[in-house]
Amino acid sequence: QSALTQPASVSGSPGQSITISCTGISSDIGGYNYVSWYQQHPGKAPKLMIYNVSNRPSGVSNRFSGSKSGNTASLTISGLQAEDEADYYCSSFTSSNIVFGGGTRLTVL
Amino acid sequence: QITLKESGPTLVKPTQTLTLTCTLSGFSLSTTGVGVGWIRQPPGKALEWLALIYWDDDKRYSPSLKSRLTVTKDTSKNQVVLTMTNMDPVDTATYYCAHRGMGESFDYWGQGTLVTVSS
Repeated sequence: QSALTQPASVSGSPGQSITISCTGISSDIGGYNYVSWYQQHPGKAPKLMIYNVSNRPSGVSNRFSGSKSGNTASLTISGLQAEDEADYYCSSFTSSNIVFGGGTRLTVL
Repeated sequence: QITLKESGPTLVKPTQTLTLTCTLSGFSLSTTGVGVGWIRQPPGKALEWLALIYWDDDKRYSPSLKSRLTVTKDTSKNQVVLTMTNMDPVDTATYYCAHRGMGESFDYWGQGTLVTVSS
Protein backbone atom coordinates (compact mmCIF):
# COMPACT_ATOMS: atom_id res chain seq x y z
CA GLN A 1 0.00 0.00 0.00
CA SER A 2 1.22 3.52 -0.76
CA ALA A 3 1.23 6.39 1.65
CA LEU A 4 -1.59 8.88 1.40
CA THR A 5 -0.65 12.10 -0.40
CA GLN A 6 -0.47 15.36 1.54
CA PRO A 7 1.04 18.71 0.61
CA ALA A 8 4.47 19.11 2.13
CA SER A 9 3.65 22.48 3.63
CA VAL A 10 0.90 25.02 4.12
CA SER A 11 0.93 28.37 5.81
CA GLY A 12 -1.46 30.98 7.08
CA SER A 13 -1.65 34.07 9.22
CA PRO A 14 -3.19 34.18 12.67
CA GLY A 15 -6.96 34.26 12.47
CA GLN A 16 -7.09 32.84 8.96
CA SER A 17 -8.35 29.40 7.93
CA ILE A 18 -6.31 26.75 6.18
CA THR A 19 -7.15 23.38 4.70
CA ILE A 20 -4.86 20.39 4.39
CA SER A 21 -5.76 17.75 1.84
CA CYS A 22 -5.09 14.03 2.02
CA THR A 23 -5.54 12.02 -1.15
CA GLY A 24 -5.85 8.28 -1.32
CA ILE A 25 -7.63 5.74 -3.47
CA SER A 26 -10.91 3.89 -3.49
CA SER A 27 -9.58 1.09 -1.29
CA ASP A 28 -8.57 3.39 1.54
CA ILE A 29 -10.05 6.88 1.94
CA GLY A 30 -12.68 6.29 -0.71
CA GLY A 31 -13.79 2.98 0.74
CA TYR A 32 -14.10 3.69 4.44
CA ASN A 33 -15.11 6.51 6.76
CA TYR A 34 -12.12 5.73 8.92
CA VAL A 35 -9.98 8.79 8.30
CA SER A 36 -8.04 10.26 11.21
CA TRP A 37 -5.88 13.36 11.60
CA TYR A 38 -2.97 13.84 13.98
CA GLN A 39 -1.06 16.91 15.14
CA GLN A 40 2.59 16.54 16.07
CA HIS A 41 4.75 19.20 17.65
CA PRO A 42 8.54 18.81 17.45
CA GLY A 43 9.86 16.14 19.76
CA LYS A 44 6.37 15.12 20.87
CA ALA A 45 4.13 12.15 20.22
CA PRO A 46 1.27 12.65 17.76
CA LYS A 47 -2.09 13.80 19.10
CA LEU A 48 -5.40 12.66 17.66
CA MET A 49 -7.40 15.61 16.34
CA ILE A 50 -10.08 14.00 14.16
CA TYR A 51 -11.42 10.45 13.80
CA ASN A 52 -14.08 8.89 11.58
CA VAL A 53 -13.54 11.68 9.02
CA SER A 54 -15.13 14.48 11.03
CA ASN A 55 -15.37 13.63 14.72
CA ARG A 56 -13.36 15.48 17.35
CA PRO A 57 -12.13 13.73 20.48
CA SER A 58 -13.05 15.35 23.75
CA GLY A 59 -10.84 18.33 24.44
CA VAL A 60 -9.95 19.14 20.83
CA SER A 61 -10.87 22.65 19.80
CA ASN A 62 -13.85 23.09 17.48
CA ARG A 63 -11.55 25.15 15.27
CA PHE A 64 -10.48 21.80 13.85
CA SER A 65 -12.85 20.10 11.43
CA GLY A 66 -12.63 17.24 8.97
CA SER A 67 -14.42 16.22 5.81
CA LYS A 68 -14.17 13.80 2.93
CA SER A 69 -15.15 13.77 -0.72
CA GLY A 70 -14.43 10.70 -2.80
CA ASN A 71 -10.82 9.67 -2.32
CA THR A 72 -9.75 12.93 -0.67
CA ALA A 73 -10.06 13.91 2.96
CA SER A 74 -9.47 17.39 4.32
CA LEU A 75 -8.59 18.98 7.63
CA THR A 76 -9.60 22.59 8.12
CA ILE A 77 -8.26 24.77 10.90
CA SER A 78 -10.10 28.01 11.41
CA GLY A 79 -8.97 31.01 13.42
CA LEU A 80 -5.33 30.00 13.15
CA GLN A 81 -3.30 30.39 16.32
CA ALA A 82 0.42 30.29 16.89
CA GLU A 83 0.17 27.00 18.76
CA ASP A 84 -1.34 25.34 15.69
CA GLU A 85 2.09 25.42 14.06
CA ALA A 86 2.99 21.73 13.82
CA ASP A 87 3.12 18.74 11.52
CA TYR A 88 -0.19 17.16 10.57
CA TYR A 89 -0.72 13.59 9.43
CA CYS A 90 -3.77 11.90 8.00
CA SER A 91 -4.41 8.18 8.19
CA SER A 92 -6.96 5.78 6.80
CA PHE A 93 -8.06 2.23 7.32
CA THR A 94 -7.54 0.14 4.23
CA SER A 95 -8.71 -3.44 3.86
CA SER A 96 -7.45 -4.58 7.27
CA ASN A 97 -4.41 -2.31 7.36
CA ILE A 98 -3.72 1.30 8.23
CA VAL A 99 -1.86 3.82 6.11
CA PHE A 100 -0.53 7.27 7.01
CA GLY A 101 0.04 10.29 4.85
CA GLY A 102 3.43 11.84 4.27
CA GLY A 103 2.70 14.73 6.61
CA THR A 104 2.13 18.46 6.17
CA ARG A 105 4.05 21.16 8.00
CA LEU A 106 1.82 24.05 8.99
CA THR A 107 3.53 27.37 9.46
CA VAL A 108 1.69 30.20 11.17
CA LEU A 109 3.12 33.38 9.71
CA GLN B 1 -6.21 7.29 32.84
CA ILE B 2 -4.85 5.51 29.79
CA THR B 3 -1.08 5.54 29.38
CA LEU B 4 1.36 3.52 27.33
CA LYS B 5 5.12 3.30 27.64
CA GLU B 6 7.63 1.79 25.24
CA SER B 7 10.82 0.13 26.40
CA GLY B 8 13.67 -1.67 24.73
CA PRO B 9 17.20 -1.18 23.41
CA THR B 10 18.28 2.19 22.10
CA LEU B 11 20.96 0.69 19.88
CA VAL B 12 20.92 -2.49 17.82
CA LYS B 13 23.37 -3.82 15.27
CA PRO B 14 22.49 -4.55 11.66
CA THR B 15 20.96 -8.02 11.15
CA GLN B 16 19.95 -8.23 14.82
CA THR B 17 16.38 -8.65 16.02
CA LEU B 18 14.69 -5.76 17.80
CA THR B 19 12.31 -6.48 20.67
CA LEU B 20 10.20 -3.64 22.04
CA THR B 21 7.74 -3.80 24.91
CA CYS B 22 4.72 -1.58 25.38
CA THR B 23 3.42 -1.49 28.96
CA LEU B 24 -0.23 -0.53 29.24
CA SER B 25 -1.96 1.28 32.06
CA GLY B 26 -5.58 2.25 32.55
CA PHE B 27 -6.94 -0.39 30.18
CA SER B 28 -6.60 -4.08 29.43
CA LEU B 29 -6.07 -5.98 26.22
CA SER B 30 -8.45 -8.60 27.53
CA THR B 31 -11.35 -6.16 27.18
CA THR B 32 -13.52 -6.57 24.09
CA GLY B 33 -12.78 -4.03 21.41
CA VAL B 34 -9.35 -3.00 22.66
CA GLY B 35 -6.36 -2.84 20.36
CA VAL B 36 -2.77 -1.63 20.49
CA GLY B 37 -0.80 -0.49 17.50
CA TRP B 38 2.84 0.16 16.69
CA ILE B 39 3.91 3.13 14.59
CA ARG B 40 7.42 4.34 13.80
CA GLN B 41 8.94 7.60 12.60
CA PRO B 42 12.45 7.90 11.16
CA PRO B 43 14.18 11.15 12.13
CA GLY B 44 12.66 14.01 10.17
CA LYS B 45 10.29 11.73 8.29
CA ALA B 46 6.66 10.68 8.31
CA LEU B 47 4.77 8.27 10.52
CA GLU B 48 4.62 4.66 9.34
CA TRP B 49 2.11 2.15 10.69
CA LEU B 50 3.68 -1.21 11.56
CA ALA B 51 1.24 -3.50 13.33
CA LEU B 52 -1.94 -3.79 15.36
CA ILE B 53 -3.07 -6.45 17.82
CA TYR B 54 -6.63 -6.78 19.03
CA TRP B 55 -8.16 -8.10 22.25
CA ASP B 56 -9.11 -11.36 20.49
CA ASP B 57 -5.48 -11.89 19.35
CA ASP B 58 -6.26 -10.85 15.77
CA LYS B 59 -3.09 -9.33 14.33
CA ARG B 60 -2.53 -7.02 11.38
CA TYR B 61 0.80 -6.09 9.83
CA SER B 62 2.10 -3.57 7.35
CA PRO B 63 2.29 -5.46 4.04
CA SER B 64 5.75 -4.11 3.31
CA LEU B 65 7.18 -5.30 6.64
CA LYS B 66 5.01 -8.31 7.37
CA SER B 67 7.78 -10.85 6.90
CA ARG B 68 9.89 -9.17 9.59
CA LEU B 69 7.29 -8.32 12.23
CA THR B 70 5.65 -10.22 15.04
CA VAL B 71 3.31 -8.70 17.61
CA THR B 72 2.17 -10.54 20.72
CA LYS B 73 0.32 -9.70 23.91
CA ASP B 74 0.73 -10.76 27.51
CA THR B 75 -2.51 -9.87 29.24
CA SER B 76 -1.23 -11.01 32.62
CA LYS B 77 1.51 -8.38 32.43
CA ASN B 78 -0.63 -5.93 30.43
CA GLN B 79 2.09 -5.71 27.82
CA VAL B 80 2.40 -5.86 24.06
CA VAL B 81 5.65 -6.94 22.44
CA LEU B 82 6.85 -6.11 18.93
CA THR B 83 9.74 -7.96 17.35
CA MET B 84 11.38 -6.91 14.10
CA THR B 85 14.00 -9.16 12.54
CA ASN B 86 17.00 -8.38 10.37
CA MET B 87 17.35 -4.77 11.45
CA ASP B 88 18.97 -2.32 9.03
CA PRO B 89 20.16 1.28 9.45
CA VAL B 90 17.05 2.44 7.56
CA ASP B 91 15.01 1.08 10.48
CA THR B 92 16.44 3.79 12.72
CA ALA B 93 13.37 5.55 14.06
CA THR B 94 11.30 6.51 17.05
CA TYR B 95 8.95 3.63 17.74
CA TYR B 96 5.56 4.39 19.28
CA CYS B 97 2.85 2.18 20.68
CA ALA B 98 -0.68 3.55 20.79
CA HIS B 99 -4.18 2.67 21.99
CA ARG B 100 -6.67 1.92 19.24
CA GLY B 101 -9.54 4.35 19.33
CA MET B 102 -12.72 4.85 17.35
CA GLY B 103 -12.53 4.25 13.63
CA GLU B 104 -9.15 2.58 13.76
CA SER B 105 -7.56 5.79 15.02
CA PHE B 106 -4.94 5.98 17.75
CA ASP B 107 -6.18 8.11 20.61
CA TYR B 108 -3.47 7.58 23.21
CA TRP B 109 0.22 7.35 22.39
CA GLY B 110 3.32 6.40 24.30
CA GLN B 111 6.19 8.84 24.49
CA GLY B 112 8.12 6.86 21.89
CA THR B 113 11.54 5.26 22.04
CA LEU B 114 14.37 6.06 19.64
CA VAL B 115 16.06 2.99 18.22
CA THR B 116 19.31 3.44 16.33
CA VAL B 117 20.62 0.72 14.05
CA SER B 118 24.36 0.92 13.70
CA SER B 119 27.39 -1.29 13.89
